Amino acid sequence: AAGVIQSPRHLIKEKRETATLKCYPIPRHDTVYWYQQGPGQDPQFLISFYEKMQSDKGSIPDRFSAQQFSDYHSELNMSSLELGDSALYFCASSLEGERGYEQYFGPGTRLTVT
Amino acid sequence: GQNIDQPTEMTATEGAIVQINCTYQTSGFNGLFWYQQHAGEAPTFLSYNVLDGLEEKGRFSSFLSRSKGYSYLLLKELQMKDSASYLCAIRTSTSGTYKYIFGTGTRLKVLA
Repeated sequence: AAGVIQSPRHLIKEKRETATLKCYPIPRHDTVYWYQQGPGQDPQFLISFYEKMQSDKGSIPDRFSAQQFSDYHSELNMSSLELGDSALYFCASSLEGERGYEQYFGPGTRLTVT
Repeated sequence: GQNIDQPTEMTATEGAIVQINCTYQTSGFNGLFWYQQHAGEAPTFLSYNVLDGLEEKGRFSSFLSRSKGYSYLLLKELQMKDSASYLCAIRTSTSGTYKYIFGTGTRLKVLA
């Protein structure tokens, strides 16, 4: 079965650079979530989209922005990168209306800021 | 505010049974999830509870008491591969939108 795809899997950037993370949800899924997980920490909800519209916002810095496109893929844009942005970034997708609204997580993008 | 508490670490022996507790405080509760996460990998879904009671799924069971803000994940016949972090997450609903809040996870070590 198709899973959530994230690219790139690994990304190394320098401070003050920009980065774009991409997420391709499971086909037919209409909701995408972005999470940031630092070493030894729990996933922190950043932002979510339902049917290409932003549906909720968590602890996402103003330097970050995200959008969902017509083909339902989503991109997380990160600017003026800081050392503290180094983390695993997970994308998850779900289908609203399914029992449990189970989120399926992608493999994550490991961002290292040097 | 919203808060989720889980033990930080637990250790158990292969073949044994272990119970991982989760307590939470939230408004707009709309379901509780348990995820398993191996180091450096994505969380994978284990169970979902929205009504009080026990949900059983093979070697894993999850219990919920909404009045007590309490859940547990029960793992039976432990295997070495069960060594992982177990994340308790709650979904809240506010004005028709949903938000997921994760606990810090319980790191389970299964010993031979």
